[in-house]
Amino acid sequence: DVKVTQSSRYLVKRTGEKVFLECVQDMDHENMFWYRQDPGLGLRLIYFSYDVKMKEKGDIPEGYSVSREKKERFSLILESASTNQTSMYLCASSLAEIREKLFFGSGTQLSVL
Amino acid sequence: AQKITQTQPGMFVQEKEAVTLDCTYDTSDPSYGLFWYKQPSSGEMIFLIYQGSYDQQNATEGRYSLNFQKARKSANLVISASQLGDSAMYFCAMRENTGRRALTFGSGTRLQVQP
Repeated sequence: DVKVTQSSRYLVKRTGEKVFLECVQDMDHENMFWYRQDPGLGLRLIYFSYDVKMKEKGDIPEGYSVSREKKERFSLILESASTNQTSMYLCASSLAEIREKLFFGSGTQLSVL
Repeated sequence: AQKITQTQPGMFVQEKEAVTLDCTYDTSDPSYGLFWYKQPSSGEMIFLIYQGSYDQQNATEGRYSLNFQKARKSANLVISASQLGDSAMYFCAMRENTGRRALTFGSGTRLQVQP
């Protein structure tokens, strides 16, 4: 069964902390994505990667960075967490072709206090 | 820039009736794909249906069908014979072929099926 695994389901951090959200997929997918989901705003793209060591900014990259050192792993980094980064974070992966659907992880609910 | 609009924040439907969830999109790319996802209260994202911009027929998957009107740039999801388990958030999304390879999502519609 295909799988996208996010390291934590719930996370509580303090303002100013450096936060790492990890995502691993076992489907040999080229593409990986980080979205955040907020009520009324849907899913907004933070960063995505279509190859190892490649990354592209999404619609809301400010305050975030990413790392993709291996094909199966895509990390989201909050360099200095702020309260407005409290959100649900969803990782996803897909094959490269346009009609290929995204497979999602179960999400990480991050609270920044 | 690609954009997806879902104008219905919430919808109610009676069990066993059909319901249409609206989605309009905007893109200058002639080649694109449209997706619908369901998110129940558990939070998982479930893929429902896909429509390619060059597909000749409207997509169908079981009780789900996509009413694709290319000239109007709309891709409405039709759920026939609603069930209580259909109560969830529904997201429309689009991916351009020549633009960025990521899906852009709408703000979602919360569907509640009433017995």
